[in-house]
Amino acid sequence: SQKIEQNSEALNIQEGKTATLTCNYTNYSPAYLQWYRQDPGRGPVFLLLIRENEKEKRKERLKVTFDTTLKQSLFHITASQPADSATYLCALDMSGSSNTGKLIFGQGTTLQVKP
Amino acid sequence: KAGVTQTPRYLIKTRGQQVTLSCSPISGHRSVSWYQQTPGQGLQFLFEYFSETQRNKGNFPGRFSGRQFSNSRSEMNVSTLELGDSALYLCASSPQGAGGDSPLHFGNGTRLTVT
Repeated sequence: SQKIEQNSEALNIQEGKTATLTCNYTNYSPAYLQWYRQDPGRGPVFLLLIRENEKEKRKERLKVTFDTTLKQSLFHITASQPADSATYLCALDMSGSSNTGKLIFGQGTTLQVKP
Repeated sequence: KAGVTQTPRYLIKTRGQQVTLSCSPISGHRSVSWYQQTPGQGLQFLFEYFSETQRNKGNFPGRFSGRQFSNSRSEMNVSTLELGDSALYLCASSPQGAGGDSPLHFGNGTRLTVT
């Protein structure tokens, strides 16, 4: 079955540094991969989506890469701020060629940015 | 546009009881997905409804069921509650269904505690 692995250990970095989070997956080749942010007690919020034919996607201080050979996505936050502290989840589209609504999530990595 | 609304926000039930959770999607969204989130298992996919039909189902026992109404609002029901059902239940909507290039829009969840 599909397995999605994110670093379960919290990532602690200093303000201003670049945070890099990893998402690895097995047994499937998704056409799309999504990243979400979740704050305590709230639902996840969509951040970025990357397609299998895109190597890299950027949005402001966020950058996502997608390596279908390595079956890995990296999520970068540059010039990190304490407000970036949250849990970040990657999600894979399991619906194949049609949008049949099956998005599977990793366990998430908690990022703590210290001032 | 109003976001995804889930009610109630908190719920305390006793083992053996049943519970119904409600979700109102973003206006115009026809797909509603349900997830269970626990510290140990992360976000687990329950099921997805589109135009009142269940299109996808996760690996949960039959005690977990759902339905969607013609106005796209959805309910989730858990019967014969067990202690292990204590979790944050999240509902998410999307225009046509998650997956592909369509992200999910989550509510802030219903926190269910089973005693």
